[in-house]
Amino acid sequence: LAKTTQPISMDSYEGQEVNITCSHNNIATNDYITWYQQFPSQGPRFIIQGYKTKVTNEVASLFIPADRKSSTLSLPRVSLSDTAVYYCLVGDNTDKLIFGTGTRLQVFP
Amino acid sequence: KAGVTQTPRYLIKTRGQQVTLSCSPISGHRSVSWYQQTPGQGLQFLFEYFSETQRNKGNFPGRFSGRQFSNSRSEMNVSTLELGDSALYLCASSLVQQPYNEQFFGPGTRLTVL
Repeated sequence: LAKTTQPISMDSYEGQEVNITCSHNNIATNDYITWYQQFPSQGPRFIIQGYKTKVTNEVASLFIPADRKSSTLSLPRVSLSDTAVYYCLVGDNTDKLIFGTGTRLQVFP
Repeated sequence: KAGVTQTPRYLIKTRGQQVTLSCSPISGHRSVSWYQQTPGQGLQFLFEYFSETQRNKGNFPGRFSGRQFSNSRSEMNVSTLELGDSALYLCASSLVQQPYNEQFFGPGTRLTVL
């Protein structure tokens, strides 16, 4: 059963790149890693998903080292609207899905 | 395409009562998952249903149960409510079973137990 930990909070300024790391030491072979963004009073919103190496989409990149014991969500050039809580989710189709503790990102002008 | 809808949005109950929450997934989605969110415990997985079958269940007592209907709509029930059950209950739907696909979350039902 994978257990995930994340930094509680991070601060950044507009235009900077932000990297949020999730630690999942007990990740299983079949586990996937997914990241979600959540704004107050809303449900989480999917950002990106990966299994190994690097995945990139129009909003973020996900870096997963070879041992897969951690993953890093990279947000390029953040804006004020990226202020939110970010969660990593680790699991496979036979395991209980485990959300990380969440990282509160505050972006300043 | 309409998003995931949850009813009711807010609910107040007293200890010992039971409650049923409803979730309508995005049209065509066959997987529905339920989560509990509290300030202290964060987001916790309750269970996932796929094609009317419970595929996966989190570490919650048997007071928490659910079901999925043939149209993929899902309900979760909590019996004998406790104060600690006060939380935001989120429903998420996806095309296929988790975790191989993006989940779309509803706005949640905020349950308050007095």
